[in-house]
Amino acid sequence: AQKVTQAQTEISVVEKEDVTLDCVYETRDTTYYLFWYKQPPSGELVFLIRRNSFDEQNEISGRYSWNFQKSTSSFNFTITASQVVDSAVYFCALFIQGAQKLVFGQGTRLTINP
Amino acid sequence: DAGVIQSPRHEVTEMGQEVTLRCKPISGHNSLFWYRQTMMRGLELLIYFNNNVPIDDSGMPEDRFSAKMPNASFSTLKIQPSEPRDSAVYFCASSFGGLLNTEAFFGQGTRLTVV
Repeated sequence: AQKVTQAQTEISVVEKEDVTLDCVYETRDTTYYLFWYKQPPSGELVFLIRRNSFDEQNEISGRYSWNFQKSTSSFNFTITASQVVDSAVYFCALFIQGAQKLVFGQGTRLTINP
Repeated sequence: DAGVIQSPRHEVTEMGQEVTLRCKPISGHNSLFWYRQTMMRGLELLIYFNNNVPIDDSGMPEDRFSAKMPNASFSTLKIQPSEPRDSAVYFCASSFGGLLNTEAFFGQGTRLTVV
């Protein structure tokens, strides 16, 4: 079975703090893709990143960074020097090539307080 | 490009009524997805079209739900008859080549309330 677990339901930090959102996935497939999406208060889902199962290199994009570790089946997302505009619900998702499905985690609601 | 366009943004209807949600995917995209988001179940894939053909509708909750894609630029999700438990935000997403070649772009969603 394919499953994505985001154990942190809600996180609240003060602006400028670093924050890490955890994502653990389950799959028996060897070819899969991992995604992070952001859902701001306006409601739409905004794509952040896609990684395939053969590329474990960490990625940094501005204040965002992602740590992909197949050994622990994790794909964690870190925001450095958080800002109020980062407040949103963040979803981690797993795409299984064979099943052609995108399975989402339950999401983590991140609140950045000024 | 205007992105994925969904209409209406909000819909309030009475139990038993028919509800039709609409989606216009991004031009050139050949895959379209309907998702439902609720507090209890999170984001669930309802149905997936590729080149206007339904590929996987295993996520459609029951026969009251139906989806069509008559052409590459339009899709509908219909609920008949609607029930209060159908209240959710329904997202449409499109991509080129399924999800392998690019990310899926999501619309802003339709918030459905069935009273």
